[in-house]
Amino acid sequence: GENVEQHPSTLSVQEGDSAVIKCTYSDSASNYFPWYKQELGKRPQLIIDIRSNVGEKKDQRIAVTLNKTAKHFSLHITETQPEDSAVYFCAATSGNTPLVFGKGTRLSVIA
Amino acid sequence: DTEVTQTPKHLVMGMTNKKSLKCEQHMGHRAMYWYKQKAKKPPELMFVYSYEKLSINESVPSRFSPECPNSSLLNLHLHALQPEDSALYLCASSQDPGGRQPQHFGDGTRLSIL
Repeated sequence: GENVEQHPSTLSVQEGDSAVIKCTYSDSASNYFPWYKQELGKRPQLIIDIRSNVGEKKDQRIAVTLNKTAKHFSLHITETQPEDSAVYFCAATSGNTPLVFGKGTRLSVIA
Repeated sequence: DTEVTQTPKHLVMGMTNKKSLKCEQHMGHRAMYWYKQKAKKPPELMFVYSYEKLSINESVPSRFSPECPNSSLLNLHLHALQPEDSALYLCASSQDPGGRQPQHFGDGTRLSIL
């Protein structure tokens, strides 16, 4: 089955700096890769997703890149703000098996 | 606004009690999910309903019993739970039972077993 590794587990950045979270997956058939943000005590919320037919997707300060050959994908947050502080989960699926989540990255943005 | 509504928000129950968690969505989604989430961990899939039929049971103990009365509602019946079952229980829905569309999560029910 699919296995998703996520790094780092914790990340601290200064406000205004960029943050990068990386995930690798094992199943080459995986073709859908969402990213979820979960603030303390809140539900996971989809912030961006990417499909295997594109290599990069951007939405304002957030971007995701996908390297199918290396089987890894990354979340990039630019100009970080205190409200970006949360736990971020990557996930992957081929559609034939359930969504598999990474273990999460706790991002702290220091003002 | 949360498009997936879960009730109750908090639940405290004893190990001999029977209770139910409820989830409702009105987005016309055909897949609904139950997840269990422990602190500082990712959501852990429990059940998937596809077109109102149970399609995946991730080897969940029988003290958890799911039910999908119609395409908008999903219940999780609880009986004789153990202290280790204390967690946040999340419901989610998706357009695509195959999982390749975004899953929308509810706010969850925080369950404490005494």
